[in-house]
Amino acid sequence: AQSVTQLDSQVPVFEEAPVELRCNYSSSVSVYLFWYVQYPNQGLQLLLKYLSGSTLVKGINGFEAEFNKSQTSFHLRKPSVHISDTAEYFCAVNNYGQNFVFGPGTRLSVLP
Amino acid sequence: SQTIHQWPATLVQPVGSPLSLECTVEGTSNPNLYWYRQAAGRGLQLLFYSVGIGQISSEVPQNLSASRPQDRQFILSSKKLLLSDSGFYLCAWSVRQRNGYTFGSGTRLTVV
Repeated sequence: AQSVTQLDSQVPVFEEAPVELRCNYSSSVSVYLFWYVQYPNQGLQLLLKYLSGSTLVKGINGFEAEFNKSQTSFHLRKPSVHISDTAEYFCAVNNYGQNFVFGPGTRLSVLP
Repeated sequence: SQTIHQWPATLVQPVGSPLSLECTVEGTSNPNLYWYRQAAGRGLQLLFYSVGIGQISSEVPQNLSASRPQDRQFILSSKKLLLSDSGFYLCAWSVRQRNGYTFGSGTRLTVV
């Protein structure tokens, strides 16, 4: 069975600092990987996804993520965060046809 | 274009009252449809999913039920709400797993 771990439940960071949100997954087969963002009282929006090919994927709002097969990780990064990036971030995995499995989420708080 | 509508946005219901939340999708055919719940401070919990009209799979046994009377309509119901049913309910759809899920804007349900 698939599972997703997001090691940090909360990440506080100052504005304009870099941030990395960690995601690890377990699966015995190849997977699709996704990052979603949820702003307060809203649905989830797709930030970026890894399907195949280049292990570095770029998404919206300046975010990027790197797929590392050997470490089964898909960490999300942004070189300089803004106040508006304050939100909940969810990592998700899908193994080609099964339902998605979401991580528990990481709450990113950007401080002025 | 493809859109998903979910209503109402907020709902306050007394314990023991019935519930009906509706989700409709436009601009696509034969989508997979999903109901998720977020309890306060917790991650996403998959409640139900449907791969076609009248086909409902339940992930978590509870006093909620789901129905899919039309291809692009998904309804979440309860005959008698419990306090523990409070939460943020999200509807989502997908056609191809590689495209990820598209989420509605959510319904904040408070059972009092």
